[in-house]
Amino acid sequence: AQSVTQLDSHVSVSEGTPVLLRCNYSSSYSPSLFWYVQHPNKGLQLLLKYTSAATLVKGINGFEAEFKKSETSFHLTKPSAHMSDAAEYFCVVSVHGSSNTGKLIFGQGTTLQVKP
Amino acid sequence: ETGVTQTPRHLVMGMTNKKSLKCEQHLGHNAMYWYKQSAKKPLELMFVYNFKEQTENNSVPSRFSPECPNSSHLFLHLHTLQPEDSALYLCASSQSDRYQETQYFGPGTRLLVL
Repeated sequence: AQSVTQLDSHVSVSEGTPVLLRCNYSSSYSPSLFWYVQHPNKGLQLLLKYTSAATLVKGINGFEAEFKKSETSFHLTKPSAHMSDAAEYFCVVSVHGSSNTGKLIFGQGTTLQVKP
Repeated sequence: ETGVTQTPRHLVMGMTNKKSLKCEQHLGHNAMYWYKQSAKKPLELMFVYNFKEQTENNSVPSRFSPECPNSSHLFLHLHTLQPEDSALYLCASSQSDRYQETQYFGPGTRLLVL
């Protein structure tokens, strides 16, 4: 069965330091993987997407993620945190269903706190 | 207006009320989705529509009734809800319901059932 595990429910960093949000997935097929961000009282915004092209994916706002098949991981990183990065982050795998349809399986979310 | 919009943004209803949530996408997409986001739980897919036809019902109770009159509009009709139905309801759209497609989300409707 397909699943997503975000290894940390809360991550706290200081402004200007690197960010690492960890995600492991399980999928029977070559997965499509996404990271979404949700700011308080807002909908989800796509940060980046992996679909079997380059394993290092660059997203918006300086975020990037690396797909590592051997480790079944898709960790999200950013070299230098900004106060505006404080939000909830969701790792998502797209499940391949019949007729090439799919649905998204969401991780539990990681709350990123950025301290001044 | 661009992207995916949802109205109302906030809704308070009693257990005997009937209300509807509306979603509209301005992206020219063909697939639309309803998700439920409860506190401390992952987002749960509720319904999927592709070209106005329902392609997924994720064992949702019948007190939630979706309607998709065209590819741009999606409704969620609510009746006799329970307090545990209080949550953020998110609408999303994508070009198709293929698994590689990116879904674009609206801001959500925050629902409180008293």
